[in-house]
Amino acid sequence: ETGVTQTPRHLVMGMTNKKSLKCEQHLGHNAMYWYKQSAKKPLELMFVYNFKEQTENNSVPSRFSPECPNSSHLFLHLHTLQPEDSALYLCASSQLSGTSDEQYFGPGTRLTVT
Amino acid sequence: GQNIDQPTEMTATEGAIVQINCTYQTSGFNGLFWYQQHAGEAPTFLSYNVLDGLEEKGRFSSFLSRSKGYSYLLLKELQMKDSASYLCASMDSNYQLIWGAGTKLIIKP
Repeated sequence: ETGVTQTPRHLVMGMTNKKSLKCEQHLGHNAMYWYKQSAKKPLELMFVYNFKEQTENNSVPSRFSPECPNSSHLFLHLHTLQPEDSALYLCASSQLSGTSDEQYFGPGTRLTVT
Repeated sequence: GQNIDQPTEMTATEGAIVQINCTYQTSGFNGLFWYQQHAGEAPTFLSYNVLDGLEEKGRFSSFLSRSKGYSYLLLKELQMKDSASYLCASMDSNYQLIWGAGTKLIIKP
């Protein structure tokens, strides 16, 4: 595997379900990010981790819970989501956060909340 | 507030040249990024400008004017595979990327 991978690629869940999104980067980077991309809207930064420590939480509702066990893996745990949470969730990594290093993106998980 | 403006959609002809404009207002500035995103795929890095002027990279060039809060992406010798969304993002004083909504570029034969 190379680059940034995300699983699953597609997910349909009910509002009462609990699910997790997984991201893995094979680039040796130290920073990882979660973004939300809704149709025709700008990417919204959700969370940033640098060396496994969370450095940013952009006022994300608590129904989204990130986890970063090591610099290569990032999870987004989902519970009691709302239909407006349906979107493409993108994971990215970079050498370090807090720098102008370019970010490398995974293909995303297309989430539909019913 | 912080804001990035770029056109929603543009159409161009194969073989031609197209310029995608982006204006930005951010709290501080640490550079301007352009990314390309094909439908259903990951955004991929195209260019980074932090100094005024034009950066050329093959068929793609990117320009920055810091005094005007303005950038453009220039695509030459358009190919059908260039049909994609082009995302402009400004990096603010906290090194966070502030993104535009993207410009969908449609290439016609």
